[in-house]
Amino acid sequence: NAGVMQNPRHLVRRRGQEARLRCSPMKGHSHVYWYRQLPEEGLKFMVYLQKENIIDESGMPKERFSAEFPKEGPSILRIQQVVRGDSAAYFCASLTDNEQFFGPGTRLTVL
Amino acid sequence: GDSVTQMEGPVTLSEEAFLTINCTYTATGYPSLFWYVQYPGEGLQLLLKATKADDKGSNKGFEATYRKETTSFHLEKGSVQVSDSAVYFCALLLTNAGKSTFGDGTTLTVKP
Repeated sequence: NAGVMQNPRHLVRRRGQEARLRCSPMKGHSHVYWYRQLPEEGLKFMVYLQKENIIDESGMPKERFSAEFPKEGPSILRIQQVVRGDSAAYFCASLTDNEQFFGPGTRLTVL
Repeated sequence: GDSVTQMEGPVTLSEEAFLTINCTYTATGYPSLFWYVQYPGEGLQLLLKATKADDKGSNKGFEATYRKETTSFHLEKGSVQVSDSAVYFCALLLTNAGKSTFGDGTTLTVKP
């Protein structure tokens, strides 16, 4: 999993601000999966993207959350007007040979 | 839909005790099964996996066998150490769907 990179590792925002989380998948991979881990819970799938396409966003909240994976650069998970309930760890992953490799995560704290 | 059910924690054991963490699943296809470990403040580390029925995954003294007839993938270790204290997640992956489904995690504390 060392190949999946996420930044920042820790992010603090005040209520109403925007949060941008970045993920670069393993080299040569063009698919990214985002998961959210609320405190004391397991990981929940949010969205699956390929370059320039959203393949499955069934786990994304309907409002304030968006994701993109442009042709160049990392995938971005964007949370607008953050609320305290958005405080969580956000992980992204690459998929290869029937296994997902996870990044180290971004821990978002909303004050 | 797909789901994973783990034994509820927390689990507290003495060093060198035997560990079992139960995991059962429901899936619409033939998933691969995984155990991940998460230490405080860190990300997920793959502990072991099994990709088909009757496969046994093993790593660092941990084992789990893919049991299709009971839809289970229980994690076991014969003698736990203090350093095994962590949160353990069972997960399934259906390749055609791509996304993983996780259990809620089981917190293990091993006391000296």
